[in-house]
Amino acid sequence: DIVLTQSPDSLALSLGERATINCKSSQSIFYSLNNKNYLAWYQQKPGQPPKLLISWASTRESGVPDRFTGSGSGTDFTLTISSLQAEDVAVYYCQQYSSLLSTFGQGTRVEI
Amino acid sequence: EVQLVESGGGLIPPGGSLRLSCTASGFRFRSYAMSWVRQAPGKGLQWVSIISSGGHAPHYADSVEGRFTISRDNSENTVFLQMNALRVEDTARYFCAKGYSDSSGYSYFDHWGPGIQVTVSS
Repeated sequence: DIVLTQSPDSLALSLGERATINCKSSQSIFYSLNNKNYLAWYQQKPGQPPKLLISWASTRESGVPDRFTGSGSGTDFTLTISSLQAEDVAVYYCQQYSSLLSTFGQGTRVEI
Repeated sequence: EVQLVESGGGLIPPGGSLRLSCTASGFRFRSYAMSWVRQAPGKGLQWVSIISSGGHAPHYADSVEGRFTISRDNSENTVFLQMNALRVEDTARYFCAKGYSDSSGYSYFDHWGPGIQVTVSS
């Protein structure tokens, strides 16, 4: 199975600061056939189900604020929150869907 | 508006069986793959299983292969997870999730239900 390792495990920042969350894959999840990276990012707030933020490593879902940006390719990916807001307090997960058996990273907790 | 509602959870002793259901509305159910993802108390997300839009080509995580069976009834807009030989480590909140396409392979999940608790304990 493909293993995703997120770093850091937790992050505490001030309002307005930039948050950077990394996700490293144990093997490449880029397919040259369609030039796509098979990686998604989710946000999970306490007591709620996960919410899809980004697919294909960098495609923001409709309605997701543009302070959320996904980047990276191959095995190394990043979710950046450009200016942290109070409502961004959550756990963030990456997911690879490049294999038939999907896997998630262990999560990164973001706090103010 | 897409809605997914899970049901069928509860407290079950080790070795027992349980069948989860997820009823969908707000989209053309028969056109999308559906999946189950679980989350143990205080832990991260673990993908469990997925089934294609037509009910074919199911896939399972290694930890549930041979014990869990995913199926769907497109006439009832419902996906099921039959869980047999349950173990204490299967205790988790189980989420139903909609795939972005009809295929059971290579899918991310664009809508999730609120989840249902399954507790395996004697």
